[in-house]
Amino acid sequence: EVQLVQSGAEVKKPGESLKISCKGSGYSFSNYWIGWVRQMPGKGLEWMGIIYPGDSDTKYSPSFQGQVTISVDKSISTAHLQWNSLKASDTAMYYCARISEISVLRGVIPYFDYWGQGTLVTVSS
Amino acid sequence: DIQMTQSPSPLSASVGDRVTITCRASQSISSYLSWYQQKPGKAPKLLIFAASTLQSGVPSRFSGSGSGTDFTLTISSLQPEDFATYYCQQTYSTPQTFGQGTKLEIK
Repeated sequence: EVQLVQSGAEVKKPGESLKISCKGSGYSFSNYWIGWVRQMPGKGLEWMGIIYPGDSDTKYSPSFQGQVTISVDKSISTAHLQWNSLKASDTAMYYCARISEISVLRGVIPYFDYWGQGTLVTVSS
Repeated sequence: DIQMTQSPSPLSASVGDRVTITCRASQSISSYLSWYQQKPGKAPKLLIFAASTLQSGVPSRFSGSGSGTDFTLTISSLQPEDFATYYCQQTYSTPQTFGQGTKLEIK
């Protein structure tokens, strides 16, 4: 059974650092992209970036580039999302998701098929 | 970035109704379109990928159509458990943007 299990809720102060995790199981972790999605309180889904565990190739949304770091440790089937200096505006639920692909005539179409349960990050002084 | 715009929002409907949610892309995305359902306090759940392919285990009352810039998600006969927020997402290019969401409410 495919599962993505995320680390627990965090409460931090502005300026602190944080690293949250997403552990995959039940599939070949190295062969599927992992994505990170932010959901601020009462708001919609925002695509942050993706990483390929096989070679650590990473793509960021311009909105999040330089604000967070996405990394992976394929030896333990775990992806990470990291902040060096949190702001109150980072308060949100963060989801990781596995990205599968379907082959079509002109290539492959990705889609987010399995999601973690989410990690709530609260930043408050 | 490709902008994804959903309509309507919100949407009020009754059990048994046929409902359609529309998603429009700011440029052509071929069939690189997924639909997700999210209930309060839960992670999103994949319903449809590649514009019209039903994810395994998703009830057949859900269907997707469209290509290029205009897409629809249709629920043929609303069930009580379908009241939720629905999101479209393009995966044609990064950033793989989501629509703003359509909240499906009980009339």
